Amino acid sequence: QKEVEQDPGPLSVPEGAIVSLNCTYSNSAFQYFMWYRQYSRKGPELLMYTYSSGNKEDGRFTAQVDKSSKYISLFIRDSQPSDSATYLCAMSEEGSYIPTFGRGTSLIVHP
Amino acid sequence: NAGVMQNPRHLVRRRGQEARLRCSPMKGHSHVYWYRQLPEEGLKFMVYLQKENIIDESGMPKERFSAEFPKEGPSILRIQQVVRGDSAAYFCASSPGQLMNTEAFFGQGTRLTVV
Repeated sequence: QKEVEQDPGPLSVPEGAIVSLNCTYSNSAFQYFMWYRQYSRKGPELLMYTYSSGNKEDGRFTAQVDKSSKYISLFIRDSQPSDSATYLCAMSEEGSYIPTFGRGTSLIVHP
Repeated sequence: NAGVMQNPRHLVRRRGQEARLRCSPMKGHSHVYWYRQLPEEGLKFMVYLQKENIIDESGMPKERFSAEFPKEGPSILRIQQVVRGDSAAYFCASSPGQLMNTEAFFGQGTRLTVV
């Protein structure tokens, strides 16, 4: 079993839809949870990060962490074609400087 | 303030040749991380360096791969005697401190193709 599991997709949605992206993990010591966005042929860029449990909102993006279920989510409201990209989750333990990445979910938002 | 600069963006090498990938961190960043990305596996950590020091190379293959981050100049990831399985996208990231979790920025990557 991989430490971080993420469905590669692709996930195809119409413009304006609410998108839910998810990751599961097995390491209960993970404390930092990050979401990266990667456009085709580009490097990943950090979207949001959360420490420990709870929710965090930034504009159209909401990150949720459920440590009891070892499950994290990224919600995108009012999705736009410009949101089409691969979304990678990443997580790390307290004191660790190297996050473990999921393989990414490809999202396609069609007009 | 320029971002993390990687060059070349694309590199083609024949089997057995050497590949040199360069990474210039963002201004003020002294921590560099190298990752490899394969389509079916996602981003895999290779090595973490500070100026003139390798801090963590637990993700580096034991043979043919080496990395350095000299006092002056970019960080270099070197792959000797490349094989087809080395074909991948190689990304570096830099951060101002030892907190890659929340402070790191990635470069655009170097896409290595071994023919």
